[in-house]
Amino acid sequence: LAKTTQPISMDSYEGQEVNITCSHNNIATNDYITWYQQFPSQGPRFIIQGYKTKVTNEVASLFIPADRKSSTLSLPRVSLSDTAVYYCLVGDVGGPGTALIFGKGTTLSVSS
Amino acid sequence: DTGVSQDPRHKITKRGQNVTFRCDPISEHNRLYWYRQTLGQGPEFLTYFQNEAQLEKSRLLSDRFSAERPKGSFSTLEIQRTEQGDSAMYLCASSPGQTPYNEQFFGPGTRLTVL
Repeated sequence: LAKTTQPISMDSYEGQEVNITCSHNNIATNDYITWYQQFPSQGPRFIIQGYKTKVTNEVASLFIPADRKSSTLSLPRVSLSDTAVYYCLVGDVGGPGTALIFGKGTTLSVSS
Repeated sequence: DTGVSQDPRHKITKRGQNVTFRCDPISEHNRLYWYRQTLGQGPEFLTYFQNEAQLEKSRLLSDRFSAERPKGSFSTLEIQRTEQGDSAMYLCASSPGQTPYNEQFFGPGTRLTVL
């Protein structure tokens, strides 16, 4: 499985755009890039997934360059409630029952 | 709310005791997963069920751990002869048979403290 590297922590202020970059140099052809969010005392929650180029949903955008060796999760205009741990996961989601492999994640702290 | 539920939310036990946790997945989700999360770390996969069949177990799942999903609905995770190193958050997740993202829906977890 491809190993991921992301910053341990990031700080931001309300209203700012936050970009969290994840490195995955050994990503395989069948691997997708998925981001989960986890609030304290809660289980992780799926945010977004992509294979290449750009994906956008109501919560975030995911930018993936052509070589796919990195990806950037973009959170527009963060609020205090976006304070959480964000996990970048890389793996083949095609198979049934694929276990999710989490790293340590990026702790995002949003201040007023 | 029809999300994944776990019971109990917190459990304090003494070393050597047995504990059992329950997970109720989202109805009609035939896949169920157990993860363990320690402080400052991401969740670690323990085991996976498809319906009532346990199809995959992690090396983390020692002989003291056993999981069941008898009727393909709820699942239980039992830890025998607990050790202090078992202190962690135990998370359950479920997913439907087919999903384009392999999205897993997590419960709130059971926090275990072994004294």
